Amino acid sequence: EVQLLESGGGLVQPGGSLRLSCAASGFTFSSYAMNWVRQAPGKGLEWVSTISGSGDSTYYADSVKGRFAISRDNSKNTLYLQMNSLRAEDTAVYYCAKREEATVTMDYWGQGTLVTVSS
Amino acid sequence: QSALTQPASVSGSPGQSITISCTGTSSDVGSYNLVSWYQQHPGKAPKFLIYEDSKRPSGISNRFSASKSGNTASLTISGLQAEDEADYYCCSYVGSSTYVFGTGTKVTVL
Repeated sequence: EVQLLESGGGLVQPGGSLRLSCAASGFTFSSYAMNWVRQAPGKGLEWVSTISGSGDSTYYADSVKGRFAISRDNSKNTLYLQMNSLRAEDTAVYYCAKREEATVTMDYWGQGTLVTVSS
Repeated sequence: QSALTQPASVSGSPGQSITISCTGTSSDVGSYNLVSWYQQHPGKAPKFLIYEDSKRPSGISNRFSASKSGNTASLTISGLQAEDEADYYCCSYVGSSTYVFGTGTKVTVL
């Protein structure tokens, strides 16, 4: 059974940093690209970032480019999102999602972790 | 990349059918046969319903169907049930491992 468990969320001041983690199990982690998707309170879903299975290729939404960094440790089956220069508008629940390679669809999602950026 | 446009809300009575539209552009929805749909109940993670415009993964009820014409994708829920009350999002792959989601539609079962 595929399981994704995010952690690392919390309250951080504007301009601060936070690192999210997503522990994966139930599939061959290194064979799949992974995504981060966020949802601001009461708002819709927003794609944030994607990383290839090997970790060699990364992609970002314009809203986070230059501030966020996605990475992975395939030996630990763990996905990360390093978030720097945080802004109030980054406040959201952050979900990690596995990508099904043949269809590039996000087929499994974690339960999410809440990041609140506030002074 | 702008969010795909969905109606804010759609409602229907139990047993009825409803359709949710998802309008994009020739750069996203119209360029790839890679629209997916997700269901999200309050406080829960999104659940994968549809992939490649109209295909259902195993385990998803055949009451959910989808189609696409030009730059507009659609999700139809037939035989509406109370458990279908949720938010629904479309999502289009837009190349280079990037995605755009729809604005979301709240489905209410009357």
